[in-house]
Amino acid sequence: QKEVEQDPGPLSVPEGAIVSLNCTYSNSAFQYFMWYRQYSRKGPELLMYTYSSGNKEDGRFTAQVDKSSKYISLFIRDSQPSDSATYLCAMSTSRGMEAGANSKLTFGKGITLSVRP
Amino acid sequence: DGGITQSPKYLFRKEGQNVTLSCEQNLNHDAMYWYRQDPGQGLRLIYYSQIVNDFQKGDIAEGYSVSREKKESFPLTVTSAQKNPTAFYLCASSGSAGGFNEQFFGPGTRLTVL
Repeated sequence: QKEVEQDPGPLSVPEGAIVSLNCTYSNSAFQYFMWYRQYSRKGPELLMYTYSSGNKEDGRFTAQVDKSSKYISLFIRDSQPSDSATYLCAMSTSRGMEAGANSKLTFGKGITLSVRP
Repeated sequence: DGGITQSPKYLFRKEGQNVTLSCEQNLNHDAMYWYRQDPGQGLRLIYYSQIVNDFQKGDIAEGYSVSREKKESFPLTVTSAQKNPTAFYLCASSGSAGGFNEQFFGPGTRLTVL
């Protein structure tokens, strides 16, 4: 079993739809959870970041973490054609640069979302 | 403007040749990373460096080498020992300040072996 599994795609939805993107993981030491967005032929950019379990909202985006189920989700409300991109979940056991910490991220495979006008 | 630059954007290599991909950052970040991205594979970590003059192997280091002689630079060499080097290569960096250390990515280099 891979450490991080992400729902396979691609995913195509009409404009205005609610999109749900999901990842599961096996390493219970993961505490920091991220969603990156990557436009075609570009580098990924951080979209959302959450620590431990709970929800975090930013505009049309909501990130949800359920550590008991080892499951994270990204919800996109009122999806727009500009949301068309590849979405990658990523996880870490540390926030990055504490003394002796390992700053590695483990990524899911990514899912390509297409929002049709 | 602060950011990460990678060069070249596209690179073509003949089999048996070594090539070096450049990564420079002016964000004053301590940590730098190299990832490889293949279709349907997500990002896989090749090497990372948390401080100058030190680096560690990632999950797929075989056939690659790096150096970290300067804080702002982390070049990646793809050697002839890498059997399947055609891929999109991404460099990233993260900071040393308190709080969450987001990884910032460069625009990538697409390497094609002819």
